[in-house]
Amino acid sequence: AQSVTQLDSQVPVFEEAPVELRCNYSSSVSVYLFWYVQYPNQGLQLLLKYLSGSTLVKGINGFEAEFNKSQTSFHLRKPSVHISDTAEYFCAVTPTGGGNKLTFGTGTQLKVEL
Amino acid sequence: DTAVSQTPKYLVTQMGNDKSIKCEQNLGHDTMYWYKQDSKKFLKIMFSYNNKELIINETVPNRFSPKSPDKAHLNLHINSLELGDSAVYFCASSGTAGTGRNQPQHFGDGTRLSIL
Repeated sequence: AQSVTQLDSQVPVFEEAPVELRCNYSSSVSVYLFWYVQYPNQGLQLLLKYLSGSTLVKGINGFEAEFNKSQTSFHLRKPSVHISDTAEYFCAVTPTGGGNKLTFGTGTQLKVEL
Repeated sequence: DTAVSQTPKYLVTQMGNDKSIKCEQNLGHDTMYWYKQDSKKFLKIMFSYNNKELIINETVPNRFSPKSPDKAHLNLHINSLELGDSAVYFCASSGTAGTGRNQPQHFGDGTRLSIL
């Protein structure tokens, strides 16, 4: 079984400041990792994914994440946030062996302020 | 152009009623899912179908019954609705890779179910 921990339920940040949203996971098997964003009253949109290869992955809207296997982490970063980045962010994992069952973290509410 | 569409977007009904939520995807995917998001925004998978075959069936009350008439549709029927069923239900779909099934999932906008 897998579990995902998002350490911060809310992250307030000023516009144009950098931000890091933390994600740690636990799994007895190898996993693929994802970050999704949910804007108010909308569904989830894929920000980025790590399947294999380079541990630094770049996604949409200027976000990037780094997979750290030894620390079982997949933290999301953006060097300069915008008001429009205000949303709920979810980290998720799925076993590489198939089935595609996503296990989500509890989400981090990013609030960008002027 | 909507990739994964769910209807209705909002559903308000009384306890004890039976209701259905429909989901359709036009991405050519062969796997579809239902997720439940509770009031604390926690997302949990309920069911998954691959080519109309049930492949994931989490611990969900028997009152919930998914139906997949074809691989582009996955509907969710709920009998005898209870207060605790109030949530947002998301449909998603994904393709099947050549070496596995772990393609990113595409989500619909959700159906907000409120039980009075």
